[in-house]
This record gives sequence, structure tokens and C-alpha cells, in this order.
Amino acid sequence: AQSVTQLGSHVSVSEGALVLLRCNYSSSVPPYLFWYVQYPNQGLQLLLKYTSAATLVKGINGFEAEFKKSETSFHLTKPSAHMSDAAEYFCAVSEIDGATNKLIFGTGTLLAVQP
Amino acid sequence: GAGVSQSPSNKVTEKGKDVELRCDPISGHTALYWYRQRLGQGLEFLIYFQGNSAPDKSGLPSDRFSAERTGESVSTLTIQRTQQEDSAVYLCASSFLGTGIPFFGPGTRLTVT
Repeated sequence: AQSVTQLGSHVSVSEGALVLLRCNYSSSVPPYLFWYVQYPNQGLQLLLKYTSAATLVKGINGFEAEFKKSETSFHLTKPSAHMSDAAEYFCAVSEIDGATNKLIFGTGTLLAVQP
Repeated sequence: GAGVSQSPSNKVTEKGKDVELRCDPISGHTALYWYRQRLGQGLEFLIYFQGNSAPDKSGLPSDRFSAERTGESVSTLTIQRTQQEDSAVYLCASSFLGTGIPFFGPGTRLTVT
């Protein structure tokens, strides 16, 4: 069964600094991987997805993530943090094998951006 | 509308009462998911529907929880004899099986008093 581990439940960066949110996955078949963002008191919004095409995936708001099969990782990065990036970020994995694509989420990383 | 919709947006109920939460998926989406998000916690998988296949109920926390879906349309999540620990935001999502990109609804905030 697939699973996701997000290292660091809380991450704090300074405005303008690099954002790195870690995600490692476990899957028995080639996975689909997702990052979702949840702003305070709002629903989940898709940030970006990996679906077996290019390993470097660009998303909205300047975020990107790189699929590294050898490391079973899909870390989320942004070169320069903005105050508006403060939110909770969830990594998720889905196994597409023709029979199911149940989506399993990590426990989330709360990103704080300091002025 | 084009997105996933959920109703009600907020529900306050007394302990021991039954509640029904509704999800209207995006038209044509074959897969539908229910998740629970307790305050300050991540998303907990509850149940997954895919077309006419038997649903994956492996995430339902107890037999007080059940869900139905008619074809590829509306789904209802029912919680019987609600307990205070059921208080959470219940999120619904839908997707095509092929692309597997789940789109989430705004959620129903359930408060059990």
C-alpha cells in the first residue's frame, strides 16, 4: 500500500528565503504525486502534480517539485518565500493501476513566513 | 457550477443525533473520495468510490459511519449516533480515474455538542 511521509510538521522561513518542504513516498507501482495547499480557513487547492511525464514539475505561485525515484522523494521548493505563502502544505500519493487511484495524504507541513 | 460542492457548509448537532453530509462531484468524474480533517491535523482517508466497483471502505473509523453513491453522481456520508470526537471538517473530492487529479470541495464543518 502507498504511504507518504512529510518531514517537519512546522517550517519557518524568512521572507525572500528558499522554501523546502520534504515529502517521501512509498508505492508498489509507479505513483502519481501531488502537492496541495490549504490557506487558513479555506479548502484544499492543487499546487502541482507529477503524473510520469517530466520529473521537474512546475506549479502555481512559483512552486516546483522534483520527482526522484532513487530517493522516493517529491520535495516542494520555491526560491523566494512570500508572506502570502504562509499556509499548510500536503503531499499526497496515488497509485494508478487501472483498478484504483485512492489518494493518501501526508500529515501536512505548516509553513510560516517571517518578515 | 464547475467544481465539487458540499452541503451543508456548517452543521451543528447534538451528541447522539444522526447527520447526513452531501457531496456533488464534478460531472463525469468517476472517482469520489471522502476525507476527514480534525482541527490541526492532516487529512484522514474515509472511503473511496470508483464507478460501479465496490467502494474502498478501509478508512471508515467505526460502523457508525457509512456512505453511499448513486452511479457517478451524488454521494452521502452518514454518521449515526454522533460523538464529540466526530467534530471535524469533512472533505469530498472527485476525479477522473485516468488523470487521477482529485479536486476538492469546500468541506462541511461538523460540530457535535
